[in-house]
Amino acid sequence: AQSVTQLGSHVSVSEGALVLLRCNYSSSVPPYLFWYVQYPNQGLQLLLKYTTGATLVKGINGFEAEFKKSETSFHLTKPSAHMSDAAEYFCAVSDRLGGGSNYKLTFGKGTLLTVNP
Amino acid sequence: DSGVTQTPKHLITATGQRVTLRCSPRSGDLSVYWYQQSLDQGLQFLIQYYNGEERAKGNILERFSAQQFPDLHSELNLSSLELGDSALYFCASSVGNGYTFGSGTRLTVV
Repeated sequence: AQSVTQLGSHVSVSEGALVLLRCNYSSSVPPYLFWYVQYPNQGLQLLLKYTTGATLVKGINGFEAEFKKSETSFHLTKPSAHMSDAAEYFCAVSDRLGGGSNYKLTFGKGTLLTVNP
Repeated sequence: DSGVTQTPKHLITATGQRVTLRCSPRSGDLSVYWYQQSLDQGLQFLIQYYNGEERAKGNILERFSAQQFPDLHSELNLSSLELGDSALYFCASSVGNGYTFGSGTRLTVV
């Protein structure tokens, strides 16, 4: 079974500061990894995903994440936080199903990002 | 608009009742996944349908059931509702290895 651990249920940064949200995964097969963002009272929006190839993945809104197999990590970063980045962020790993090309997601517990002016 | 449509957006019902949540996937997506988001359990995978057939089950209670119709929309049926079933229910659709989530149905059981 796959699992995801997000270190820190709440991260607070100042506007303009570096954002670092940590994610570690457990998987017995090569993983597909995702970061989603959820704004209040909204659904989940995909920020970025790692499937194969380049380990540094760039996403929307200036976010990026690096897949480090040796550390089983997929941390999310953004060089300079904006007030609009305040939201909850979820890391997820996909789990191979029994046949077909579609996969369910296993999510971490989420990290609430607060951006202070 | 993600292209995945969920109705209703909000639902308030009493304990013991039965409700149906509806999801229309993005055009061309054959898979529909249902997830439950609650404060204590986080985001939990419930069930997946692929082109009308159940493909995988997760932490879905026996009181819950789902189906996917020939037009690919899906319904999640929740019966004998309990207070603890209050949660956000999301569906997502996918083709290949990309997922798109709907905006969810917030269920409140009183």
